[in-house]
Amino acid sequence: GIQVEQSPPDLILQEGANSTLRCNFSDSVNNLQWFHQNPWGQLINLFYIPSGTKQNGRLSATTVATERYSLLYISSSQTTDSGVYFCAVARKAAGNKLTFGGGTRVLVKP
Amino acid sequence: GAVVSQHPSWVICKSGTSVKIECRSLDFQATTMFWYRQFPKKSLMLMATSNEGSKATYEQGVEKDKFLINHASLTLSTLTVTSAHPEDSSFYICSASSPGQGSYYEQYFGPGTRLTVT
Repeated sequence: GIQVEQSPPDLILQEGANSTLRCNFSDSVNNLQWFHQNPWGQLINLFYIPSGTKQNGRLSATTVATERYSLLYISSSQTTDSGVYFCAVARKAAGNKLTFGGGTRVLVKP
Repeated sequence: GAVVSQHPSWVICKSGTSVKIECRSLDFQATTMFWYRQFPKKSLMLMATSNEGSKATYEQGVEKDKFLINHASLTLSTLTVTSAHPEDSSFYICSASSPGQGSYYEQYFGPGTRLTVT
């Protein structure tokens, strides 16, 4: 099956700092989603981005499908950005089943 | 839009009993629903895929007789953990998708159900 690797596994930031999270995947995909899992376990959809670039407030994401990676940018981080960020991918040929990366655990310190 | 709910949010049961978890799409009709399991500080692992009106498809290694999935309508899927044991304790999360909702393949996740078997 498809492999998904996220880096770094852990990230500690000072409030106000910028950061980049990376997601590498091993095969072409029809779906790539970024999620933020809050301390209560809820997965919040950040981006649906199988290709191209999107921005939403302080967050933006870029997927380079031909090179099989995606980047999530967090600018001017806030303590509420703390949590685990997951990248997940799926292929239509595999029934659109999402395969999750291992996640990046982010802690933003005040 | 694209809200998915789960009930209950947490449940404690005794070993040997069965527990039912509900997953509902509140504002759209979900042609496909997925069930995931997450252990502490780990990633999500897909357990099964269910399409309305048909049998669920289970991932390799998932016991279909232990984890019964029913997708009786376009807004409701249920996961029943039968004869639960302590090793079934976990965080169970469902997701839903529909070609007519948002981006074609996008999945929307419920808040999860934390199961503890004593």
